[in-house]
Amino acid sequence: EVQLVESGGGLVQPGRSLRLSCAASGFTFDDYAMHWVRQAPGKGLEWVSGISWNSGSIGYADSVKGRFTISRDNAKNSLYLQMNSLRAEDTALYYCAKGPAAIVIGSWFDPWGQGTLVTVSS
Amino acid sequence: EIVLTQSPGTLSLSPGERATLSCRASQSVSSSYLAWYQQKPGQAPRLLIYGASSRATGIPDRFSGSGSGTDFTLTISRLEPEDFAVYYCQQYGSSPTTFGQGTKVEIK
Repeated sequence: EVQLVESGGGLVQPGRSLRLSCAASGFTFDDYAMHWVRQAPGKGLEWVSGISWNSGSIGYADSVKGRFTISRDNAKNSLYLQMNSLRAEDTALYYCAKGPAAIVIGSWFDPWGQGTLVTVSS
Repeated sequence: EIVLTQSPGTLSLSPGERATLSCRASQSVSSSYLAWYQQKPGQAPRLLIYGASSRATGIPDRFSGSGSGTDFTLTISRLEPEDFAVYYCQQYGSSPTTFGQGTKVEIK
């Protein structure tokens, strides 16, 4: 069974940093692109970032470009999101999601983890 | 970026009824690269449909997707109690991938 488990969320002050992790199991991790998608409280879904199987192709939403960095460690079956210069509008539930193929483009998301909550507030 | 507009915002129906959800794109979605997700309260989204009309693994056949270009539809042929949820469409044919704002299907 494919499983994605996020961790690392919490309460952080504006301007500070946080690193999210996603532990993957039940599939050959380095065969697939991986993504982060977020959902602000009571709101819809927003794609944040995606990374190809070998980290050779990476994409970011304009809203996080220059502040967030996605990475992966295939030896540890893990996905990461380094979030710097956090803002109140980054407050959301952050989901880790698996793409259908090795490349980032053309990705739907299946499955999704249960998410980790990031709250940016002073 | 492609903007997806879902309608209606809320659909009030009874179990057993047919649900028709719309997703309209601001530009043509290439290769019908459109997906649908279901999200229940406190749960992560679940993939229902990809490629506009292909059901994901384990999805009941009462769920069907159709459409092309800028107009797409998710149909639930007969609503079961567990189908009352929020549904999102997503286009993944153009970068960045984008989602619609969601349609809530509630019990009438």
